[in-house]
Amino acid sequence: DVKVTQSSRYLVKRTGEKVFLECVQDMDHENMFWYRQDPGLGLRLIYFSYDVKMKEKGDIPEGYSVSREKKERFSLILESASTNQTSMYLCASGPIPGQYEKLFFGSGTQLSVL
Amino acid sequence: AQSVTQLDSQVPVFEEAPVELRCNYSSSVSVYLFWYVQYPNQGLQLLLKYLSGSTLVKGINGFEAEFNKSQTSFHLRKPSVHISDTAEYFCAVRFTGGGNKLTFGTGTQLKVEL
Repeated sequence: DVKVTQSSRYLVKRTGEKVFLECVQDMDHENMFWYRQDPGLGLRLIYFSYDVKMKEKGDIPEGYSVSREKKERFSLILESASTNQTSMYLCASGPIPGQYEKLFFGSGTQLSVL
Repeated sequence: AQSVTQLDSQVPVFEEAPVELRCNYSSSVSVYLFWYVQYPNQGLQLLLKYLSGSTLVKGINGFEAEFNKSQTSFHLRKPSVHISDTAEYFCAVRFTGGGNKLTFGTGTQLKVEL
C-alpha cells in the first residue's frame, strides 16, 4: 500500500515561531500537495509540487512556503506562525501529473498556534 | 467563476435507509469529478471518480454517483447505509484548462444512527 506519512499528528506552537510540517511518501510519486482543512471550508490548496525543487502556489499560499529537496519529501513552512494558521494540515501525493484519481492522503497534522 | 458546492453540511440517517449527498459545481469548461471519504482521525480516501464515459459510476463500499451535465451535479448515493459509513464526504472537481488544481467542496458529515 502507498504510504503518505506526516511527521506529527498534533503540534502546538506559539505565535511568531517558525514551524515545519514534514510529509514523506514511499511510492516515488512526482506530485505532492499541501492542503489545510477547516470546518465549513473544506480543503483548500496551499502549495503543490510536480517535481524536486519545483513548486507552485495553490489558492491560499500567503504566510506559507514549501521545500522539496528530495522526491519523497515535501515540507510546509510557516515562517512566523499566527493564530489564524491553527488548522488541520493534510499532505497528499500522486504518481502522474494531472491524474488526481491517484491522490493519496496522509492522516493529517492538527496544528494549534497559541 | 469555478466552484464546488455541497449544500448539506450534515446529513443524519438511520441505518439501512438510503442516502443521497449532493454536489453541484459551476464551470464553463469540462470537468473531472471525484468523491472522497474521511473517516475519523484519518486522511481522505477516494470513493469514486468520473472521468468520461458512463455517467453512472460505482465506487467502493456500495456507493455510486451520477454525473448530470445539464444540472452540473454529481450526487453520491447509497441504497442502504451502515453505521460504518459515518464519516465526512468531500466532493472534488478538476476543471480542465485551469491548471492542475483539485477544488474541494466544504464537505458533508454523514451520521448514521441505529
